[in-house]
Amino acid sequence: DAGVIQSPRHEVTEMGQEVTLRCKPISGHDYLFWYRQTMMRGLELLIYFNNNVPIDDSGMPEDRFSAKMPNASFSTLKIQPSEPRDSAVYFCASSLSGGRNFYGYTFGSGTRLTVV
Amino acid sequence: AQSVTQLGSHVSVSEGALVLLRCNYSSSVPPYLFWYVQYPNQGLQLLLKYTTGATLVKGINGFEAEFKKSETSFHLTKPSAHMSDAAEYFCAVTSDTGTASKLTFGTGTRLQVTL
Repeated sequence: DAGVIQSPRHEVTEMGQEVTLRCKPISGHDYLFWYRQTMMRGLELLIYFNNNVPIDDSGMPEDRFSAKMPNASFSTLKIQPSEPRDSAVYFCASSLSGGRNFYGYTFGSGTRLTVV
Repeated sequence: AQSVTQLGSHVSVSEGALVLLRCNYSSSVPPYLFWYVQYPNQGLQLLLKYTTGATLVKGINGFEAEFKKSETSFHLTKPSAHMSDAAEYFCAVTSDTGTASKLTFGTGTRLQVTL
């Protein structure tokens, strides 16, 4: 398996533009998580899905942020309009539930977003 | 509710010295515990995990951690640090060992290895 795949790896955009980050989880995993990492705030959970359904989006900072998971193999995180304070590394992670067989999360390599 | 506390946001050791990164957890039920490592410009990578059974668990790159229920700790150690160990390390816990296995991460400890 190729692991969790995120695209793009780097994104530079101007303030006010729409940004879409993409994630392909590991095949068969039923949980998908979106995190944001900054020096100031560390690793923050934004939203997570179970079987393509959003379970908890309480970490989404504002209405400018939205996430979708139209099928088991694809998710997007959209920021519209983007602002300089959204600059961060965004990680996607997936996992398989299973009690004692829970192996933790597999993370993607992240998307480094810079809003100028 | 579950939580994790990592003592020391920065730890510096000399190459060849013992590495000790501290993690204490809070959980109302027996936890599952994890250590992740993040190298520069990369995602988090699983280092080791404790679920049940032997309380001393070994991971990749010579790291190990011991689950101590009485101390609610899961400290990460390595006998001899290598320059390549310089990275950020995250401890994580879940008490949701049923179907909803959501991890709670600590704030991370940045390990610096000096010559």
